[in-house]
Formats: sequence, C-alpha cells, structure tokens
Amino acid sequence: GQQLNQSPQSMFIQEGEDVSMNCTSSSIFNTWLWYKQDPGEGPVLLIALYKAGELTSNGRLTAQFGITRKDSFLNISASIPSDVGIYFCAGRGTSYGKLTFGQGTILTVHP
Amino acid sequence: DGGITQSPKYLFRKEGQNVTLSCEQNLNHDAMYWYRQDPGQGLRLIYYSQIVNDFQKGDIAEGYSVSREKKESFPLTVTSAQKNPTAFYLCASSKGSSSGANVLTFGAGSRLTVL
Repeated sequence: GQQLNQSPQSMFIQEGEDVSMNCTSSSIFNTWLWYKQDPGEGPVLLIALYKAGELTSNGRLTAQFGITRKDSFLNISASIPSDVGIYFCAGRGTSYGKLTFGQGTILTVHP
Repeated sequence: DGGITQSPKYLFRKEGQNVTLSCEQNLNHDAMYWYRQDPGQGLRLIYYSQIVNDFQKGDIAEGYSVSREKKESFPLTVTSAQKNPTAFYLCASSKGSSSGANVLTFGAGSRLTVL
C-alpha cells in the first residue's frame, strides 16, 4: 500500500519561533491535506491542496503541494501556545476515499 | 450546527465482550469512515462506506464489524475477536467522490479501554 513518512516526529519550540514539517510519499498523490488534533479530540482540517505546486495559506499556516506530487510541507509562523497538538498530513492517490495518514508531528510550544 | 457525533466518549470493556461505538452525522455526507489511532501512529482505516447499505474493509478490519442502514449513521462493533482493542476510535465523513469532496470531517473520538 501507499506509505507516508512524516517528519519530524516531535518538536519542542519556543513561543514566537517558526515551525516546518513535511511528508513524503512512495507514490504520487492527487490531494494533500493537513490536520491538527488537540488532545482527546478529533483532527480538524487546516489546509487542503489539490494541485502540484499549489501554495496555500490559512492565517499563520502555509502549506505546499510538492512539484513531484510525492511530498508536502506545512509551515507555522510565529508559534503561540495554542499551536500545541499533533499535526497530521494525509494524501490521496488514485483510490477514491482512501486517505493515507502520516504518523503525526507532536508540537510543543514553550511560553 | 452540522457535525459528527460519536458516543460514548469513554468506554470500558471486559475481555470477551463485544462493544458498539456510535457515529451520527448531520452533514448530509454520503461517505463515512472509521479509523483507529494508537499512540505514536497515524490513523489506520478500519472500514468505510460510500453509500447506504454498502461498506468496504479498510486496512485493519479484522475483529471489527459495521453497518450502514441509514445515511446518517455508521456504527462500529468491536468484537471479542479483536486481539488488542484498546485504542482511540475516530469516525469521519465526506461528501462524495470528486477530488474536492473527499476532505474528511472527524468526530471527537471514542476511547475504548479493555480491562
């Protein structure tokens, strides 16, 4: 099946720092999604990407759909304490409805 | 407000018992999904349903069963055949088959603990 590698697995940063995380796939994806999960809750969609090269922002968050269609990046600028949580990438290849999820990046922000 | 409701939030089960997790959505979405989340791992697909009265196995369907008798409801039964059922279970839904429609909306999750 499709494999997604998400890195880093965890990050410990100071408030105000910028954050970058990425996902790489062993196969081509047509859709990349980025989700955030707060402790004990379900993931919430942050950004959806549908075209290779697409760069999309949502407030302090920016995500890009890689040109090769095998990777995606999420950047968070000027982090704040409420950014803590688990960030997941998810990709969809050619099979309808079956998203493949990365392992998640655990973000901790120190005030 | 539209959304997905999962219940119960917390559930304890003795070994050998079946348990059913509820998932209801009022988003008028056609497709529904069940995922399992374990610490340090991504979300793994258990079952999904694209339309009423039809469902397909995901990557880890063994020991689980589902039904889709209504568009709004997609209950998951964790059977006694599931060897390691303690986990966080997430239900999700999406609109349909076009690329822009397969964005998943998740419920708040149900945490199952086997005693």
